[in-house]
Amino acid sequence: QVQLMESGGGLVKPGGSLRLSCAASGFTLGDYYMSWIRQAPGKGLEWISYSSYIDNTTYYADSVKGRFTISRDDAENSLYLQMNSLRVEDTAVYYCARRVGLDVWGQGTTVIVSS
Amino acid sequence: VMTQTPLSLSVTPGQPASISCKSSQILLHSDGKTYLYWYLQKAGQPPQPLIYEATTRFSGVPERFSGSGSGTDFTLRISRVEAEDVGVYYCMQAINLYTFGQGTRLDLK
Repeated sequence: QVQLMESGGGLVKPGGSLRLSCAASGFTLGDYYMSWIRQAPGKGLEWISYSSYIDNTTYYADSVKGRFTISRDDAENSLYLQMNSLRVEDTAVYYCARRVGLDVWGQGTTVIVSS
Repeated sequence: VMTQTPLSLSVTPGQPASISCKSSQILLHSDGKTYLYWYLQKAGQPPQPLIYEATTRFSGVPERFSGSGSGTDFTLRISRVEAEDVGVYYCMQAINLYTFGQGTRLDLK
């Protein structure tokens, strides 16, 4: 069964760091574009980062550029999001999703940035 | 920018519903594909994909859902709303990175 499962969320102070993981099962993550999308409490969806499987190109939304880094480990069949210099406004549920069309989503992991 | 209208919709079960999505840029790529997608997010769940490339249903999506449009103007239609269709609908463009619409909340009368 094709699945994605995020982990690594938690409570962190402003300025702190977290590393999110997204474990894929039922397919080979290395064969797909992968993205991270987040949703602040009571708000809509915001795409934040994307990783190309073709040439390892990465892209970021302006809101996280320079602070977040997307990476993948094909041997582990996993996608990661290193989040540094966290801000209160980064509080959200973070989802990973597959393909350009975001055809498979994980259940999400919650990040709370608060002092 | 992706602009959805209306932002909320109250529909009697069995009646049709329609959501509009307008893009600030043309979503037709030189590869011939139109990079417009629709998702439904039910309460407490991740978004679930409905429509890709403006008009094609993802696998397993009921036939009552249909997508239409081209260029910058797109529409999601539900032919007969059912109780399980309640939630927030999002359009998304993927021609220039990704941008989601604000979301349209659908509930039942």
